[in-house]
Amino acid sequence: QSVLTQPPSVSAAPGQKVTISCSGSSSNIGNNYVSWYQQLPGTAPKLLIYDNNKRPSGIPDRFSGSKSGTSATLGITGLQTGDEADYYCGTWDSSLSAGGFGTGTKVTVL
Amino acid sequence: QVQLVQSGAEVKKPGASVKVSCKASGYTFTSYGISWVRQAPGQGLEWMGWISAYNGNTNYAQKLQGRVTMTTDTSTSTAYMELRSLRSDDTAVYYCARGLWATQIDFDYWGQGTLVTVSS
Repeated sequence: QSVLTQPPSVSAAPGQKVTISCSGSSSNIGNNYVSWYQQLPGTAPKLLIYDNNKRPSGIPDRFSGSKSGTSATLGITGLQTGDEADYYCGTWDSSLSAGGFGTGTKVTVL
Repeated sequence: QVQLVQSGAEVKKPGASVKVSCKASGYTFTSYGISWVRQAPGQGLEWMGWISAYNGNTNYAQKLQGRVTMTTDTSTSTAYMELRSLRSDDTAVYYCARGLWATQIDFDYWGQGTLVTVSS
């Protein structure tokens, strides 16, 4: 059972922007770094954002991350059909002494 | 280039054990840890635990304590995850992923996944 809550789905037209929220608590998001992953159907997750807002090499700047208090947000601008995927946030939970992922959000490009 | 290559799919009966391997290449194995993440069919990601390839220290998810063991073989740069007393709800794709510390949930490289099916 995930301790991080995400909206089940978001959608927008090509070229538009979407944001995905990830809500947690002081024991996880509030005091630990957040990462974001993209998972295309049938493939392993891919790291998009780490340390709240940093992009690994090769990840376009259309993807951005932010954190405020006990929530984090992933933004995707210039939406493309290839962005259709499931997106997950992840962080450490200091109270549980365990890693955790969000419930996942399916992005649909209309 | 960094690669994590996992062992093939497994079919097990309830109560049995499974051991999944994850062979690393392209980096210094002992400079990182390996986390294991699983994903049940149609479900989200679940963190299972982490092992340091440097000294073998482990950190397991509480719900799996007593059933899971993570090990490494530094001579072959391979990590292993063994899950015992399998139940039907252990049916999932199991991933290994490279992570520096147990508390860092930012995994830059992942294995291709291993499907474990538990069925009588």
